[in-house]
Amino acid sequence: QMQLQESGPGLVKPSQTLSLTCNVSGGSISSGGFYWSWIRQHPGEGLEWIGYIYDIGITRYNPSLKSRVSISLDASKNQFSLKLSSVTAADTAVYYCARMMSCSGCRVFDSWGQGTLVTVSS
Amino acid sequence: QSALTQPPSASGSPGQSVTISCTGTTSDVGGYNYVSWYQHHPGKAPKLMIYEVSKRPSGVPDRFSGSKSGNTASLTVSGLQAEDEADYYCSSYADSDIFVVFGGGTQLTVL
Repeated sequence: QMQLQESGPGLVKPSQTLSLTCNVSGGSISSGGFYWSWIRQHPGEGLEWIGYIYDIGITRYNPSLKSRVSISLDASKNQFSLKLSSVTAADTAVYYCARMMSCSGCRVFDSWGQGTLVTVSS
Repeated sequence: QSALTQPPSASGSPGQSVTISCTGTTSDVGGYNYVSWYQHHPGKAPKLMIYEVSKRPSGVPDRFSGSKSGNTASLTVSGLQAEDEADYYCSSYADSDIFVVFGGGTQLTVL
């Protein structure tokens, strides 16, 4: 069974870049045509989709974050990464990596990481 | 504020049934049969319970069922068990650049 695990700094200073990595085990990130996604949850709120990467480099981002976000994939390490620049306190959240099924319109996330809390503070 | 509206809490006694609602608009829940439900025990990875309104992934007990009427989708948990106590989130296809929208989550308590 595929497992995902987020890693990265738990504390980031304002105006800096948040960088997280999702390590995928139990299957190859290169097979199956899945969409590798990042989702976040602000404290006490619901979930917010950040974006995905598909295949080698096809990406799509939430319009509200598009100017600051970048998602990349490293097939050799079986992992994908998130970078969010110019962070503010409003970016404090639990960040999840997830695998989205490849089915037209379905928007189904069938595997998730446990999430990692990132706090933006000086 | 989440795009989809869920009640913040729900509860039921063991063996009972409980239904959690998820209300959107014609641009998401009401317009497409692409509603999913996720179970989240704090500190663990969220788990897919229902997709495409009413389909259950392999391994999910048939005590969990989904339905939709108009702009509101529902998750019903029958025969409540202690391990069902968790947060539940709905999501839906969104016909906008937002791509996918989520609910604010419902905390289910088994009394």
